[in-house]
Amino acid sequence: EIVMTQSPATLSVSPGERATLSCRASQSVSSDLAWYQQKPGQTPRLLIYGASTRPAGVPGRFSGSGSGTDFALTISGLQSEDFAIYYCQQYNNWPWTFGLGTKVEIK
Amino acid sequence: QVQLVQSGAEVKKPGASVKVACKASGYTFRNYGIAWVRQAPGQGLECLGWINVYNGNKKYAQHLQDRVTMTTDTSTSTAYLELGSLRSDDTAVYYCARAVPVRGVWGGMDGWGQGTTVTVSS
Repeated sequence: EIVMTQSPATLSVSPGERATLSCRASQSVSSDLAWYQQKPGQTPRLLIYGASTRPAGVPGRFSGSGSGTDFALTISGLQSEDFAIYYCQQYNNWPWTFGLGTKVEIK
Repeated sequence: QVQLVQSGAEVKKPGASVKVACKASGYTFRNYGIAWVRQAPGQGLECLGWINVYNGNKKYAQHLQDRVTMTTDTSTSTAYLELGSLRSDDTAVYYCARAVPVRGVWGGMDGWGQGTTVTVSS
């Protein structure tokens, strides 16, 4: 099973600043990586797939990068609605596995 | 737009079974997969398995293989998750999600049900 490690566990950021979240896979997953946002009491929402592609409706301030084992999600100009938990997920190999999440909180 | 509506909360005793339904609308059900993901209280996300609706192929998490069954009914665009021999650590919110192929690889999940809380308690 591929282990996904996210860092940091918690990121304190001021509104308007940039946040960079990291995700590392225990072996290469090519570009088969997705990022999800989950707010308290809500359903996860797909932000990025294919490591860097945004689905329709996801704001441009969210961007993904990386391939192989190292990935990043960057949120430029954090807005109040962006404070949430972010999960990465690999789907290169079964079982699909998630990281433990990074909580982005208001500084 | 993609909509997945799940059945209501369940309370079960240890050793019992639970069946959760997920009704899809807003897209052609047969063209996608359905994944099932659970989230224990205060914890992260765990993928239990997924089913390719078109051809019926399934993959289950190895540690649940003897207790889980995923099915679909294309006539009603509904997917089902059945989990047997329930234990207290099966207590979680269970989500269905639409699985999509990305450059030929299945695994992105671009639409999610609202979640079904399953509580296992004696």
